[in-house]
Amino acid sequence: KNEVEQSPQNLTAQEGEFITINCSYSVGISALHWLQQHPGGGIVSLFMLSSGKKKHGRLIATINIQEKHSSLHITASHPRDSAVYICAVVSNFGNEKLTFGTGTRLTIIP
Amino acid sequence: GEEVAQTPKHLVRGEGQKAKLYCAPIKGHSYVFWYQQVLKNEFKFLISFQNENVFDETGMPKERFSAKCLPNSPCSLEIQATKLEDSAVYFCASSLLREQYFGPGTRLTVT
Repeated sequence: KNEVEQSPQNLTAQEGEFITINCSYSVGISALHWLQQHPGGGIVSLFMLSSGKKKHGRLIATINIQEKHSSLHITASHPRDSAVYICAVVSNFGNEKLTFGTGTRLTIIP
Repeated sequence: GEEVAQTPKHLVRGEGQKAKLYCAPIKGHSYVFWYQQVLKNEFKFLISFQNENVFDETGMPKERFSAKCLPNSPCSLEIQATKLEDSAVYFCASSLLREQYFGPGTRLTVT
């Protein structure tokens, strides 16, 4: 079993729909990252969370440390949101490296 | 600079040849990380540096992989005697506190 699990693996939705991507992890963490990887391959850091909730534009990320679960929400989805979304955690062992989930491929249809 | 720079963008090597990848972290960032992405969505941590010192090398296949971060030079990742399974995209990331900023990656193809 991977230390970081994401669901769903693939998600196709119509433009305008509300999107939720889930991430569960099994280790103690000091921080959780949500990353976006574009079709061209570049990786953008969307959020880094250690507690609570963060919002940036149409994106919202939440984390529940007790339940070891995080969600990424996209409101009013748009075709340009089509990408792979990756959850990655920093364990609390002090080594700072990221352990990645397997990603969720999101496709938004116009 | 304000972005992590990686060179080259693409690298093709015949099996058994050497490959050397470079990463210039964001100025002022003290941590550098190397990750290998195979099969599109599988990331593996290789090595990290705190300034020029190795911080964590638990992911490095030690026989053929080596890495350095020397003062006033880009960091480098070198693969001696490449194998087909080394074909991947290699990402470098740098950080000051905890948030990691990724470079555009180097796609290594071993033929």
